[in-house]
Amino acid sequence: KNQVEQSPQSLIILEGKNCTLQCNYTVSPFSNLRWYKQDTGRGPVSLTIMTFSENTKSNGRYTATLDADTKQSSLHITASQLSDSASYICVVSRLNTDKLIFGTGTRLQVFP
Amino acid sequence: SQTIHQWPATLVQPVGSPLSLECTVEGTSNPNLYWYRQAAGRGLQLLFYSVGIGQISSEVPQNLSASRPQDRQFILSSKKLLLSDSGFYLCAWSVRGGSPTANTEAFFGQGTRLTVV
Repeated sequence: KNQVEQSPQSLIILEGKNCTLQCNYTVSPFSNLRWYKQDTGRGPVSLTIMTFSENTKSNGRYTATLDADTKQSSLHITASQLSDSASYICVVSRLNTDKLIFGTGTRLQVFP
Repeated sequence: SQTIHQWPATLVQPVGSPLSLECTVEGTSNPNLYWYRQAAGRGLQLLFYSVGIGQISSEVPQNLSASRPQDRQFILSSKKLLLSDSGFYLCAWSVRGGSPTANTEAFFGQGTRLTVV
């Protein structure tokens, strides 16, 4: 079954600290993996997208990694800011389909 | 540039009433269009997707239906709402190409918060 699982479900950190969010998937055949940030009550916004051949990709303070062999990805946030408080969603695409398979997300709260 | 419009932003409807949520995309042609639902504390669930006018694929059996009367218009409807239809509904589009590739991504609208009372 094509699934995407994320951990932790929720996370609280202090402003300025780093954190890492995890994503494991069983989607096959794999096309690409994306990380989205979703502010409360808003639509998701893309942070990074990686294909099979890419191991890491950065977008400012966000760095995503991908291990296609173990089917794992992580999103590392450096020097967190209050505005990083949001849900982070891992999304995996199957090859030759137009559908995206979403994880349930990690809710991150950054406190001052 | 491409933009996606979704309305209304919030909606409170009584059980048994009809529903119509509209989504339009500007700045692109022949997009793939999607409707997702996000229940409280849950992930996004794909409801419908469309690869062209009049072409609708349903992912889960439910009380809802979708239509694509124009290339860049996607409508989510219900004849009689249920309490379980409450949730956050998101419309999205992606570039048509057979499959999402490394150079494409899904762009989401701002969502509609539907509360059925």
